[in-house]
Amino acid sequence: QQPVQSPQAVILREGEDAVINCSSSKALYSVHWYRQKHGEAPVFLMILLKGGEQKGHDKISASFNEKKQQSSLYLTASQLSYSGTYFCGTETEGGGADGLTFGKGTHLIIQP
Amino acid sequence: KAGVTQTPRYLIKTRGQQVTLSCSPISGHRSVSWYQQTPGQGLQFLFEYFSETQRNKGNFPGRFSGRQFSNSRSEMNVSTLELGDSALYLCASSPLWTSGSYEQYFGPGTRLTVT
Repeated sequence: QQPVQSPQAVILREGEDAVINCSSSKALYSVHWYRQKHGEAPVFLMILLKGGEQKGHDKISASFNEKKQQSSLYLTASQLSYSGTYFCGTETEGGGADGLTFGKGTHLIIQP
Repeated sequence: KAGVTQTPRYLIKTRGQQVTLSCSPISGHRSVSWYQQTPGQGLQFLFEYFSETQRNKGNFPGRFSGRQFSNSRSEMNVSTLELGDSALYLCASSPLWTSGSYEQYFGPGTRLTVT
């Protein structure tokens, strides 16, 4: 079951904050976040595990709500370099054999 | 450390042909996963190999197959190509199997066009 990401796209001015959500209908074990710039490979941002702490580095952080099977990615004081498509990848509980299932992505455009 | 490499980078094939794509993981990584990326469906998991064994498989027809060699390099094969197979094929390597705690490092991809 593919996780649902929202919003599908967002346009911000440099310095503004953004929140990207990732929701699943199944119980999750882990959520992975990746960013992909046009014409490039996806780049790993962070992993959140069930029962784990909220993760973050620099001005990008994420949370994992186990009760709602939802993860949110927070981008604070966005920079031009944050532009790209953000994907969440989920692993369901007991679903290790299914691999990672990715959402369709959220397109983020940061304008100067 | 060198990153994940994929060859070829671009490929044009005719419907009905078969194709083999290659992926060399980061040195020391034992897991290789393959994904198909299209504008409509996004990133879809094909399969994962760990220590030469297919660990899991996505929901793709049997025309899609893969293998991993003892040096962790991996190949995927698509037989009887269809127009809908046109996509960017990404491979990703991980230190151990892709489950929970281990991040993946993606290669640049192979752009396959089927005419």
